[in-house]
Amino acid sequence: NAGVTQTPKFRILKIGQSMTLQCAQDMNHNYMYWYRQDPGMGLKLIYYSVGAGITDKGEVPNGYNVSRSTTEDFPLRLELAAPSQTSVYFCASSYSIRTYGYTFGSGTRLTVV
Amino acid sequence: DAKTTQPNSMESNEEEPVHLPCNHSTISGTDYIHWYRQLPSQGPEYVIHGLTSNVNNRMASLAIAEDRKSSTLILHRATLRDAAVYYCILNQAGTALIFGKGTTLSVSS
Repeated sequence: NAGVTQTPKFRILKIGQSMTLQCAQDMNHNYMYWYRQDPGMGLKLIYYSVGAGITDKGEVPNGYNVSRSTTEDFPLRLELAAPSQTSVYFCASSYSIRTYGYTFGSGTRLTVV
Repeated sequence: DAKTTQPNSMESNEEEPVHLPCNHSTISGTDYIHWYRQLPSQGPEYVIHGLTSNVNNRMASLAIAEDRKSSTLILHRATLRDAAVYYCILNQAGTALIFGKGTTLSVSS
């Protein structure tokens, strides 16, 4: 049981490049989330999904896109990377949006130069 | 969204109990109180959550005030591994968890 798997663990992007951060979970959780964490700060919600085909914006969605074609996968797309997107990105999943705990991945550390 | 207030930092000694406070005076009747912690260079980790009654699990206890305007996370015997940022979060209206700045707990041997 792998839990929540994020790839890659580290990435350096040049300004204007694009990339997709991968997130997969094997717990059959309906709910999945993307957060970013800037140095010394708390987590900010980017997007979340309550099931396949359904996504919604969080606190800081600008510059990102998501899709949820399967229950297992929730990729985060960065278009035209900017230095402000330098951060650690965490994916999480949960069985219920209110009453169960989240399981987080180990994160992707992204640097945009 | 209802807000929580936590001290920026707390210190503890190893093998002593730790009481981490959280104030949430604007909590609504259906808000769950969640606690997560984040060890250095790791993703957050679920600790415990509750609605009205006190809760216990293998990691910690959650004590909720009778008026629900405050709660306390209790680590019964702190270890060095418990040094982390602890987040107290209210979950409103079925939306995703919104993290604040949390309390940085330091544990000394």
